[in-house]
Amino acid sequence: EAQVTQNPRYLITVTGKKLTVTCSQNMNHEYMSWYRQDPGLGLRQIYYSMNVEVTDKGDVPEGYKVSRKEKRNFPLILESPSPNQTSLYFCASTSRGPNSPLHFGNGTRLTVT
Amino acid sequence: EDQVTQSPEALRLQEGESSSLNCSYTVSGLRGLFWYRQDPGKGPEFLFTLYSAGEEKEKERLKATLTKKESFLHITAPKPEDSATYLCAVQPFSSNAGGTSYGKLTFGQGTILTVHP
Repeated sequence: EAQVTQNPRYLITVTGKKLTVTCSQNMNHEYMSWYRQDPGLGLRQIYYSMNVEVTDKGDVPEGYKVSRKEKRNFPLILESPSPNQTSLYFCASTSRGPNSPLHFGNGTRLTVT
Repeated sequence: EDQVTQSPEALRLQEGESSSLNCSYTVSGLRGLFWYRQDPGKGPEFLFTLYSAGEEKEKERLKATLTKKESFLHITAPKPEDSATYLCAVQPFSSNAGGTSYGKLTFGQGTILTVHP
C-alpha cells in the first residue's frame, strides 16, 4: 500500500530535549515536505526537499532541522524544543508528475512542556 | 504572497441538505487548486485537483468547481460520513528554473462540516 509513515504518533517532551520525528514514504517520490498545523493558522510548511541531499526552508523553519540522506526518508529534528513548537506535524510527499497530489502521513502530535 | 480564504469556518447540515463550501484565493499564477478532506486524528486525504477556470470534477456526493478567483465544493444530499474538515490549497507556478514550487501548497484554514442524521 502506498503511504507516508510518521513516527511517533504522539510525543510529550520537555523544553530543550532534542527529538527526532521520522518520516518514510514508499512511493519513490522525489519531493518531501514537513508541515505544522495549528488552530486558526492552518497548515504551514516548515522545510521541504526536492531530492536526496537537497533541502530548503519553507515558511516557518525557525527551530527545526531536516536531512535527506535517502530518497524514502525525511526526518524532522528539533535540537532544542520550546513550548511554541507544540503542534500537529505532518510529513508529505509527491512526485514531479503533473497529476500527482501531495500525499500526507497521519501526523505526529507533539507537546513541549 | 499567495493567500487562501475558506468560508464558512463551520457548517452544520441535516442529512440530505445540500450546500456549498467556498475557497477564495489569490496567487501569482495558478498551477493547481486542491481539495482535501481531513478526519480527526488523520492527515489530509486528497480529493480533487482543478487546473483552469471552468473545470469541474465530481466524486460521489462531492463536486468541485473553479473560477479565476474562487473554488466551490458542492455537497449534494450529504450523509453523516461526509462530516470532516475540508481543506483548500493552491499551488503556484514556479518562478525559477528549478521548479521548486511543484510540491508547495498554500492552505486555507478549512471548513468544518458536520452532517446530522
